Amino acid sequence: GAVVSQHPSRVICKSGTSVKIECRSLDFQATTMFWYRQFPKQSLMLMATSNEGSKATYEQGVEKDKFLINHASLTLSTLTVTSAHPEDSSFYICSANSGGRLEETQYFGPGTRLLVL
Amino acid sequence: EDKVVQSPLSLVVHEGDTVTLNCSYEVTNFRSLLWYKQEKKAPTFLFMLTSSGIEKKSGRLSSILDKKELFSILNITATQTGDSAVYLCAVGGGATNKLIFGTGTLLAVQP
Repeated sequence: GAVVSQHPSRVICKSGTSVKIECRSLDFQATTMFWYRQFPKQSLMLMATSNEGSKATYEQGVEKDKFLINHASLTLSTLTVTSAHPEDSSFYICSANSGGRLEETQYFGPGTRLLVL
Repeated sequence: EDKVVQSPLSLVVHEGDTVTLNCSYEVTNFRSLLWYKQEKKAPTFLFMLTSSGIEKKSGRLSSILDKKELFSILNITATQTGDSAVYLCAVGGGATNKLIFGTGTLLAVQP
């Protein structure tokens, strides 16, 4: 089956620093990648939709200047949390869509736990 | 506004019990409804439902969709401690090509 990886799996950083999270589709080309955020005991909240070669589409309430998304190739999307603060601590999950109907072809990465001190 | 609501928010049962999790939705251009199980990592896929009244079954888990009443249920029979997880319902549809996730149900199965 399709595999999506995320790196790092866990990161701890100081307040004010920037953190980059990578999402890779290992055995397929992902035309679209999605970035989600999940706070403890809450559901997945879509942050943005990333299309290869174009600007990401951000959901309402998500600051595009704070959460920079780059989808430079069909197998890699990156999310950079700029000037991270403790309230950005969360579980970040990416998913990749290999084309076709989204529900049938969306594959989740294992997630990245971010802790900002 | 598109929305997906799950109930209950949390549930504690004992091993061997049967549980029913609910998911109701109001989503334009509905395409399908999906159930996921999430432990400490990313969600793992359980079922995808597109047609009303057709039960999907996998071992002790089963699910069915009612497109008239706009809801789905996920049943787990003879629960085990390994069933403890957050169960997420998501709907494909809406104005844009994305999944709309529900609030999730936290299930705890006690020995």
